[in-house]
Amino acid sequence: TQLLEQSPQFLSIQEGENLTVYCNSSSVFSSLQWYRQEPGEGPVLLVTVVTGGEVKKLKRLTFQFGDARKDSSLHITAAQPGDTGLYLCAGGYQKVTFGTGTKLQVIP
Amino acid sequence: EPEVTQTPSHQVTQMGQEVILRCVPISNHLYFYWYRQILGQKVEFLVSFYNNEISEKSEIFDDQFSVERPDGSNFTLKIRSTKLEDSAMYFCASRADRNMMDEKLFFGSGTQLSVL
Repeated sequence: TQLLEQSPQFLSIQEGENLTVYCNSSSVFSSLQWYRQEPGEGPVLLVTVVTGGEVKKLKRLTFQFGDARKDSSLHITAAQPGDTGLYLCAGGYQKVTFGTGTKLQVIP
Repeated sequence: EPEVTQTPSHQVTQMGQEVILRCVPISNHLYFYWYRQILGQKVEFLVSFYNNEISEKSEIFDDQFSVERPDGSNFTLKIRSTKLEDSAMYFCASRADRNMMDEKLFFGSGTQLSVL
């Protein structure tokens, strides 16, 4: 079974601060995805990274896939209250396995 | 943007009863999935379905669970005899092409199942 561990589990920061969320596994993944989930809703895909070392940017969000394709990070610059939510990494593309999640709260 | 639709949004049932959760995937998608999320826990893979058959399933998906695509639009998850521990949010998802690694997986809004 492929396991994805995320850290931190919870994060509460002030608006305008920067933060980084980590996703780690002992397994190699062909691709990794990052999702955001709002309470009572399904996960919504933010980005997919496929190539080791790949960096993708989505406005204030920067995603990086580790060189060995076993880990990934999500960096948010100048966090906004609208960034509040559960961030999930997920690996694979035939059977998508989700990480343990990072619950982010951005306080105005 | 196209949507995956799930009904009902909430389902309350008695332990031992059968429930059917319904999903309408995006119309041109070929690959369908069920996931569940117990309150406060991670999203767990249950089963994937392609070409009218199960392509992969997890250890959670035991004999009490079944999936079906009864017509060209619906994709259902049946739990034959519900247990208290089946209480969770159940998400349906679909994607157009399983073999493209950056192909987007679309999730529905979920059905909250409560087993009493």
